[in-house]
Amino acid sequence: EVQLVESGGGLVQPGRSLRLSCAASGFTFDDYAMHWVRQAPGKGLEWVSGISWNSGSIGYADSVKGRFTISRDNAKNSLYLQMNSLRAEDTALYYCAKDTSRYSSGWQFDYWGQGTLVTVSS
Amino acid sequence: QSALTQPASVSGSPGQSITISCTGTSSDVGGYNYVSWYQQHPGKAPKLMIYDVSNRPSGVSNRFSGSKSGNTASLTISGLQAEDEADYYCSSYTSSSTYVVFGGGTKLTVL
Repeated sequence: EVQLVESGGGLVQPGRSLRLSCAASGFTFDDYAMHWVRQAPGKGLEWVSGISWNSGSIGYADSVKGRFTISRDNAKNSLYLQMNSLRAEDTALYYCAKDTSRYSSGWQFDYWGQGTLVTVSS
Repeated sequence: QSALTQPASVSGSPGQSITISCTGTSSDVGGYNYVSWYQQHPGKAPKLMIYDVSNRPSGVSNRFSGSKSGNTASLTISGLQAEDEADYYCSSYTSSSTYVVFGGGTKLTVL
């Protein structure tokens, strides 16, 4: 059974940093691209960032480019999101999501975690 | 404002069929077959219902189907059931710098 478990969320002041983690199990982690998708309270879904199976290809939404960094550790079956210079508009539930395609990116997400809440407020 | 346009709400009675549209541009929906649909119940994580425009993941009911014509993708749910009441989001790969865009979501009410 595929499981994705996010952690690291919390309350943080504007301008500060936070690092999210996602622990994956139930599939061959290093075969698949992985993504972060967020959802502000009461709002829709927004793709944040994605990373290929071998970290060779990385992409970011314009809204986080230059502030967030995605990474993965295939030996630990883990995905990370380093979030710097946080803003109030980054407040959201952050989901870790598995890509549908093996060894490439289908830019579609077949398994999702339950999310970790990030609140940016003074 | 979301990059893909969906109706804010649709409704139907049990047993009926409904269709949710998702309109983009030639840079996203019209240009690629990386179109997917997600179902989200309140307080739950999204669930993939359709990928690559019209493919159903294993375990998803065949009452759900997807299609695309030009810059508009559609999700059709036939034989509506009470459990289908949820929010539905479309998504597409985009050639713009942001890679993936979502629709604003459609709230489906089963009357």
